[in-house]
Amino acid sequence: DAGVTQSPTHLIKTRGQQVTLRCSPKSGHDTVSWYQQALGQGPQFIFQYYEEEERQRGNFPDRFSGHQFPNYSSELNVNALLLGDSALYLCASSWGAGPYNEQFFGPGTRLTVL
Amino acid sequence: AQTVTQSQPEMSVQEAETVTLSCTYDTSESDYYLFWYKQPPSRQMILVIRQEAYKQQNATENRFSVNFQKAAKSFSLKISDSQLGDAAMYFCALHRQGGSEKLVFGKGTKLTVNP
Repeated sequence: DAGVTQSPTHLIKTRGQQVTLRCSPKSGHDTVSWYQQALGQGPQFIFQYYEEEERQRGNFPDRFSGHQFPNYSSELNVNALLLGDSALYLCASSWGAGPYNEQFFGPGTRLTVL
Repeated sequence: AQTVTQSQPEMSVQEAETVTLSCTYDTSESDYYLFWYKQPPSRQMILVIRQEAYKQQNATENRFSVNFQKAAKSFSLKISDSQLGDAAMYFCALHRQGGSEKLVFGKGTKLTVNP
């Protein structure tokens, strides 16, 4: 059983560019959450998708957007990249959105903005 | 607002010994969940143990146990018989029941296991 997968593993972009990160949830999971983990920090919640809709959002600007597809996979898009967007982006999936539903994390995408 | 504080940026332990990682949190909710996650150098976050706030009994998973003090808002992780594979970043996290569906993480504690 494949766990949560993310692509690409690493990505280098320049300021002002746009980036798309991808996540495939664990088999049987219908909910995807995205987190940003800056170097030396804990992950910060960006947003969560369930039934192809954004259900909750953290304190991130509109430059961060996402999408969930009918097969439950998800994309995170970041526009007008800033140096401060450099981080590890983690995707987590669960069956259902409640805290009692364990979130399984992917290995992350390391984004470097130059 | 919910906050999670881990006051120990780094900890070390000898193989086979016991170590305790500290975590305090703040929330106005009475119903919530607490978690400890492990993040090895491979970066993949792994759930170590979780505790439902309404349960008084401390959770235990093999060599991992917690000391949950609800009134003090404290949630420490004890690792017994430490193994080299336990070396990793450990994050304490809080997730309240209902409302905002998100995990709030602390900044983490880096655990080193010495042979």
